[in-house]
Amino acid sequence: LAKTTQPISMDSYEGQEVNITCSHNNIATNDYITWYQQFPSQGPRFIIQGYKTKVTNEVASLFIPADRKSSTLSLPRVSLSDTAVYYCLVGDSNYQLIWGAGTKLIIKP
Amino acid sequence: NAGVMQNPRHLVRRRGQEARLRCSPMKGHSHVYWYRQLPEEGLKFMVYLQKENIIDESGMPKERFSAEFPKEGPSILRIQQVVRGDSAAYFCASSPLSDRVGTEAFFGQGTRLTVV
Repeated sequence: LAKTTQPISMDSYEGQEVNITCSHNNIATNDYITWYQQFPSQGPRFIIQGYKTKVTNEVASLFIPADRKSSTLSLPRVSLSDTAVYYCLVGDSNYQLIWGAGTKLIIKP
Repeated sequence: NAGVMQNPRHLVRRRGQEARLRCSPMKGHSHVYWYRQLPEEGLKFMVYLQKENIIDESGMPKERFSAEFPKEGPSILRIQQVVRGDSAAYFCASSPLSDRVGTEAFFGQGTRLTVV
């Protein structure tokens, strides 16, 4: 099962673009890359998922290079409410995803 | 369409008592997953169930813990003879037709179990 490495914490300011990079050197051919967001005392919430190249939705973009050994979650124009823990996961089935400690993102005014 | 519903949100039990955590998946979802989370840590997979079947319980402790997802009613995670180390947040998630990624998993708000 692939494991991921991501920064423990990051700070940014309101209105900035935030990029969180995740390393997954052992990603398997069938694995997808999925990002979740978790606020304190709440369950994780799906943000975005991709397999290769670029995926964009109304919340974020996900950039995946050709070798798929890393991925970058991009949050445009963050606000204070984006302060949360962000988890990068790789796998081909929901229950086999291995959850690390995530990246604690703090947005400052 | 209501989301994944977990109850209770908070549960306090004395050592040696039983804890029952309930999870109602989203309507139409037949796959349920239970996770445990300690403070400042990621989620740890416990068990994956479909209606009336345990598909994978490799993350469940061998003793005191059990889970079910009956044909009717919510999924239940049961912890017998609780100990202080069982204190954690327990999350349930559900997905519709498959456990494969691409079918997004939706999480409940969790049950925070405190053993005193």
